[in-house]
Amino acid sequence: DTAVSQTPKYLVTQMGNDKSIKCEQNLGHDTMYWYKQDSKKFLKIMFSYNNKELIINETVPNRFSPKSPDKAHLNLHINSLELGDSAVYFCASSQGTGFTEQYFGPGTRLTVT
Amino acid sequence: AQKITQTQPGMFVQEKEAVTLDCTYDTSDPSYGLFWYKQPSSGEMIFLIYQGSYDQQNATEGRYSLNFQKARKSANLVISASQLGDSAMYFCAMRWFSSGAQKLVFGQGTRLTINP
Repeated sequence: DTAVSQTPKYLVTQMGNDKSIKCEQNLGHDTMYWYKQDSKKFLKIMFSYNNKELIINETVPNRFSPKSPDKAHLNLHINSLELGDSAVYFCASSQGTGFTEQYFGPGTRLTVT
Repeated sequence: AQKITQTQPGMFVQEKEAVTLDCTYDTSDPSYGLFWYKQPSSGEMIFLIYQGSYDQQNATEGRYSLNFQKARKSANLVISASQLGDSAMYFCAMRWFSSGAQKLVFGQGTRLTINP
């Protein structure tokens, strides 16, 4: 059983389109995260939700909107895609908001053409 | 501002040797956590080890140990008896709380290559 899953694994789309990436975890965790990893492998946190409540919201364009319908899901919707949005997006989860281990999903490689 | 620095963009080590990956951090908060993650070429992120700022002893997990030197603000990862499967990117990360909000930052990563 996959602990943290993301769909799709690959996403190729044109500039200006709107797309969503879905994330689900079956670990019973109450905290989920979205990260962006750029072409230089730099990993940056974007958002975090605890019990469906937003607790981390880094400086991210308004075109990115996370949605957490329940504790097991955290989806990422991106409007008006730009070339600079091309990256690998990782979802992760953890139990609690303290200094705990995070379990990462396999990543979604987004390519904007 | 809080920051994580990994000064080694790449390292090459012979199999079975021990290897130390450097990580320094900058924070004025007394409470924080330090993590190391491994990212193989397949792309997934794998948690390796955690050290809390108040932990008295260095963390160890199998072949991984964290050399925590609080006064120097360093949290180096030591891998003993390296194996070919250890070839990967390694990221150091720090987590802390600021004004009731949680913060998290990753270093630039070190690409480790184990030679047979």
